[in-house]
Amino acid sequence: EDKVVQSPLSLVVHEGDTVTLNCSYEVTNFRSLLWYKQEKKAPTFLFMLTSSGIEKKSGRLSSILDKKELFSILNITATQTGDSAVYLCAAYMEYGNKLVFGAGTILRVKS
Amino acid sequence: DAGVTQSPTHLIKTRGQQVTLRCSPKSGHDTVSWYQQALGQGPQFIFQYYEEEERQRGNFPDRFSGHQFPNYSSELNVNALLLGDSALYLCASSLKLRHSGLSGAQHFGDGTRLSIL
Repeated sequence: EDKVVQSPLSLVVHEGDTVTLNCSYEVTNFRSLLWYKQEKKAPTFLFMLTSSGIEKKSGRLSSILDKKELFSILNITATQTGDSAVYLCAAYMEYGNKLVFGAGTILRVKS
Repeated sequence: DAGVTQSPTHLIKTRGQQVTLRCSPKSGHDTVSWYQQALGQGPQFIFQYYEEEERQRGNFPDRFSGHQFPNYSSELNVNALLLGDSALYLCASSLKLRHSGLSGAQHFGDGTRLSIL
């Protein structure tokens, strides 16, 4: 059965801290790994990772994929209260044309 | 550039009723996927439409059906509603890359919050 597992389930940090969110996956015909940020409603696209070992960066956020060990991490440096959200990772399956999501990591950043 | 839009925002139904949810994809996108997100869980794939046909389906019963129109918009229909159908229903659109057969990153709408009483 295809599955994506995220850890930790929840995390509370203080502003300025650096956090690392983990995502491991076991899916058939894996194509790419996507990260989303979900606040109140729509998951907002952050990164799409297809190649192993190549870091993608956007401001204070960065992510990398390890296709040998089947995991990805999302790093957030100098956290702000606006980073508080649920972070979802999803594996995209090549022939299934669908995303398999993990349960998410709830991040709360305290001021 | 309009993103993915869904309607209605909220909906309250009773058990046994039927519901139709609507989705307009992001401009330039031709593929629509539907997901169900129960409270505290990640979205679960229901099905995907491309060229007005259902291309892939997740582990959902036949009570869940859909349609895609020539303008790429889509509907999700759920019959004989159950209490367990209460969830946030998300629509995601993407652009299918014709030569590779792959889809690009999926962009989500704000969802329809469906409550079953």
